[in-house]
Order: sequence, then C-alpha cells, then structure tokens
Amino acid sequence: ETGVTQSPTHLIKTRGQQVTLRCSSQSGHNTVSWYQQALGQGPQFIFQYYREEENGRGNFPPRFSGLQFPNYSSELNVNALELDDSALYLCASSFMGRAEAFFGQGTRLTVV
Amino acid sequence: KQEVTQIPAALSVPEGENLVLNCSFTDSAIYNLQWFRQDPGKGLTSLLLIQSSQREQTSGRLNASLDKSSGRSTLYIAASQPGDSATYLCAVIHNFNKFYFGSGTKLNVKP
Repeated sequence: ETGVTQSPTHLIKTRGQQVTLRCSSQSGHNTVSWYQQALGQGPQFIFQYYREEENGRGNFPPRFSGLQFPNYSSELNVNALELDDSALYLCASSFMGRAEAFFGQGTRLTVV
Repeated sequence: KQEVTQIPAALSVPEGENLVLNCSFTDSAIYNLQWFRQDPGKGLTSLLLIQSSQREQTSGRLNASLDKSSGRSTLYIAASQPGDSATYLCAVIHNFNKFYFGSGTKLNVKP
C-alpha cells in the first residue's frame, strides 16, 4: 500500500460531460502529479501541483485542469469529455526534492 | 524531449527461465529510474528505484541496472514464475519528480 488514495475507482461518462477525479496524497507529501494511461500505453504526464500551484504541464489541452488543496489532496477536472479521454488516470504523491513518487491505484474513466 | 523505449513489447517464456527486459532513454540528465509492475486493469506497483549515483539495485529475484551514459537500464528476473506475468514499466525521473514512462513489456510466464 502506498498511502495514495484515488476516487472513484471506475466511472462512466457521456461525451461532452465534465468529470472530477480525486486524489489523497501520502502524509507529509506536498506534490501531486497526474498521469493519463491509455490502453496499451505507458502513463503520460498531465500536470503537477506543488503547494497549491501548477508546477509544470504536459501536452494536454486546457480542458484538463486541476486543483491542490491546503491538505495537499488534489482534483483533476476534465471538461467537454471526448471518447479519447477514456483511460486510466493515475495520481502520484511525492515530496519536492526527493526524486521518487508513490502512485495510487488509478481511476478508470470510460467515455461513451 | 525525453523518450523512453522498452524492448521487447511482449515476451512469453516457460516457467523457470531467467529473462532480461530492456529500457532505453534519450536524455541522460535524469535523477532516478524506477521499474514498476502493472497487473491488468490495475495501478502501478513499484519494484525497484535506482538513484542516478547507483549502478544497480536488487530485490529478491529482481535486479535492475542503470547506465546513464548510454541511456540504458535492464531489469533481470531470475527463475521466472507464472505469478510474474504482468506488464513491466520503466520510468525515468527528471527534475521536480516528473516521470517519463515507456510503453511497457508485457510478460507471460507459462506454467
């Protein structure tokens, strides 16, 4: 167990809808990163939050947005869902300056 | 831009064989490298973390090596078992804990 909790575990949404995914980071960690893993691919970096500010972003459109709260938990929001957004979404919790991270078990999003 | 490649994409071996999974990366300015295991439909399980100053790490039947200068890492699995069947992902870690993953090697160990 990594101490990183994601909710929900599975989710089905309709194209055009909006979705919010949640991540509770490991105690003492101040950084959360989000990754998208399409079927048969490795995870791709979406963005990272450090002390409630976005700290780097991958090649994802602005309809992917996030928040980090004072307790360092985080949300990933996706607007105007597309079929290609169907994927496993992983969050990773870490302490800035230590080059390792702990991953949650992911949220499986299916867009129909 | 960092690119991580894993070879082979898939591997099927009989139980008991020793095997090597390969990972290569284009930008050697990495902090650490980490190997993960992923079971179907599941999240990532960390196997081994190699810090950039290290050459290898061992855990049980697993041994991972790192050669930053050549941009390569290998994961060696000794005496493979059917329970080792999974996808193995290699990730290089850059500044600010950003991970770059390969597409994985899907391993099937036949009883």
